[in-house]
Amino acid sequence: GENVEQHPSTLSVQEGDSAVIKCTYSDSASNYFPWYKQELGKRPQLIIDIRSNVGEKKDQRIAVTLNKTAKHFSLHITETQPEDSAVYFCAAYYGGATNKLIFGTGTLLAVQP
Amino acid sequence: DAGITQSPRHKVTETGTPVTLRCHQTENHRYMYWYRQDPGHGLRLIHYSYGVKDTDKGEVSDGYSVSRSKTEDFLLTLESATSSQTSVYFCAISEAGVRGGYEQYFGPGTRLTVT
Repeated sequence: GENVEQHPSTLSVQEGDSAVIKCTYSDSASNYFPWYKQELGKRPQLIIDIRSNVGEKKDQRIAVTLNKTAKHFSLHITETQPEDSAVYFCAAYYGGATNKLIFGTGTLLAVQP
Repeated sequence: DAGITQSPRHKVTETGTPVTLRCHQTENHRYMYWYRQDPGHGLRLIHYSYGVKDTDKGEVSDGYSVSRSKTEDFLLTLESATSSQTSVYFCAISEAGVRGGYEQYFGPGTRLTVT
């Protein structure tokens, strides 16, 4: 069935280091993959997304890569800062009759100053 | 914030009582969604709507119903609240590719506690 697996569930890095979060999806028909950042007590905020016809997308310190053959995609954050500390969710879009996103279970990123 | 509001923002209710949560949007988006968020489960889809009076079930729809009588409002009802429905509920909107965008934007959330 429709499923998105996300790893790791928690990640601790030193300020200035890079962080990588990985997700795999089950349906090869998925064509849209967003990443959300959620700070404590706040709503999830879309930070970057990628369509299936693109292999990589960058926006300043964050980037997302997509490997359609392996059905996995990753979020890369470089030069991490304390304000990057949050829970990050990946998602895969399932179209057709349902038009819905299936979310991963989240990664708690802690950036240590 | 994509013009999405939710009400109430916090609610405490007793087991067995009915509860209705409201999501309101101001930008005429076609698709609206209700999610619940629980530790260890991420965001799970309860119900969604693809137009006025057009709704469908998500992955965790048991115990919930929805209605959409106007484009701007999407209501989530717990007919008889149970403690397992204690959660944070998020509404989201999207064009779902209709106008080229698949992005979903979330409302501020409603924290519901069932005692």
